[in-house]
Amino acid sequence: QVTLRESGPALVKPTQTLTLTCTFSGFSLRTSGMCVSWIRQPPGKALEWLALIDWDDDKYYSISLKTRLTISKDTSKNQVVLRMTNMDPVDTATYYCARLTGSQPYSGMDVWGQGTTVTVSS
Amino acid sequence: QSVLTQPPSVSGAPGQRVTISCTGSSSNIGAFYDVHWYQQFPGTAPKLLIYGNNNRPSGVPDRFSGSRSDTSASLTITGLQAEDEADYYCQSYDTSLSGSVFGGGTKLTVL
Repeated sequence: QVTLRESGPALVKPTQTLTLTCTFSGFSLRTSGMCVSWIRQPPGKALEWLALIDWDDDKYYSISLKTRLTISKDTSKNQVVLRMTNMDPVDTATYYCARLTGSQPYSGMDVWGQGTTVTVSS
Repeated sequence: QSVLTQPPSVSGAPGQRVTISCTGSSSNIGAFYDVHWYQQFPGTAPKLLIYGNNNRPSGVPDRFSGSRSDTSASLTITGLQAEDEADYYCQSYDTSLSGSVFGGGTKLTVL
């Protein structure tokens, strides 16, 4: 059974750096074709794709947030980490990680974590 | 403003058929990138409903179907049920943005 779980701080201050961890089981990012994405959803708003990392350590970022995002993986711990710098109140959202159905960035996402809510406020 | 455009809301009576549109452009759906659809209930994570334009994951009823044509895609729900009331999102890939893009979401109300 494939599961993913997001973890990180519930509250961060403006200008701080947010670090979120996605811990997964049931698959390995050592396996060819595996990919994990981060997606966020501000309260009452639409989903927004943030970043993707694949088994080969290729990384893809939202063009609008590229300068603030860093995605990385720790295959020994089955974790994917997302760092977002210079947090602002508009970054308040529920952050999800999800596994892709295929090996390409344009694949769908078949298993999602439950999400972690992050509030940016002083 | 989302790259993929969906109607904010649709509605239908139980048993009816509803269609949710997802309009893109030549850099995403029109570039033959797959379209995927998700169902989301309040307070829960999205669930993959349709992948690769018209494929259903195991466990998704065949009342749900997807299609793609030119720069648009559609999700059709037949035999509408009260439990289908949720938000629905389309997703594709945009070559100009070099990343995935989502629609703005559509709230389905079952009357």
